[in-house]
Amino acid sequence: DTAVSQTPKYLVTQMGNDKSIKCEQNLGHDTMYWYKQDSKKFLKIMFSYNNKELIINETVPNRFSPKSPDKAHLNLHINSLELGDSAVYFCASSRRLSVETQYFGPGTRLLVL
Amino acid sequence: DQQVKQNSPSLSVQEGRISILNCDYTNSMFDYFLWYKKYPAEGPTFLISISSIKDKNEDGRFTVFLNKSAKHLSLHIVPSQPGDSAVYFCAAANTGNQFYFGTGTSLTVIP
Repeated sequence: DTAVSQTPKYLVTQMGNDKSIKCEQNLGHDTMYWYKQDSKKFLKIMFSYNNKELIINETVPNRFSPKSPDKAHLNLHINSLELGDSAVYFCASSRRLSVETQYFGPGTRLLVL
Repeated sequence: DQQVKQNSPSLSVQEGRISILNCDYTNSMFDYFLWYKKYPAEGPTFLISISSIKDKNEDGRFTVFLNKSAKHLSLHIVPSQPGDSAVYFCAAANTGNQFYFGTGTSLTVIP
């Protein structure tokens, strides 16, 4: 009965590869997000989606692209992976895009070799 | 540009005593503040929040205080329990629900 789930939990890959991380929420929320937690433990928002529309796109490289097939899913595609992409990526969701509590997934630990 | 700061990376407290975690922010447009708790290998879990129109919110052992003039908030846990040992993140949001997180404070409650 996990509210926000992510797959895979761990991802180890070579530089230059393309990979995807999947996220699903069963809370019926309208808005989903992707965060990156870097080596300094700093959690920074990357994207948010509201009703399948990209609302916030922070200054992340265009190698990163969110894809939302429906309201319950927000997948993160990463092209041409670089060493600096190694981090923990968290998916989150909230009821709507206003001041609302966000609920987080367990994180995906990406290691680029 | 880090808009939310937690200047204490770690804190140790004896079981039964009060834990006080601090957070400072720079943007006066923030109108919603939250504390999240995170265990190793898990995602952050919502703990307690406060709107900018209040200065205190209490939920059981957890109380959040907001001082808007000082741009400071704090989380009080009393009494502290060993199960409270985790990393605590402070977050601030504006009306666009854009969250800014601090770097976390690792709390250890010593039995």
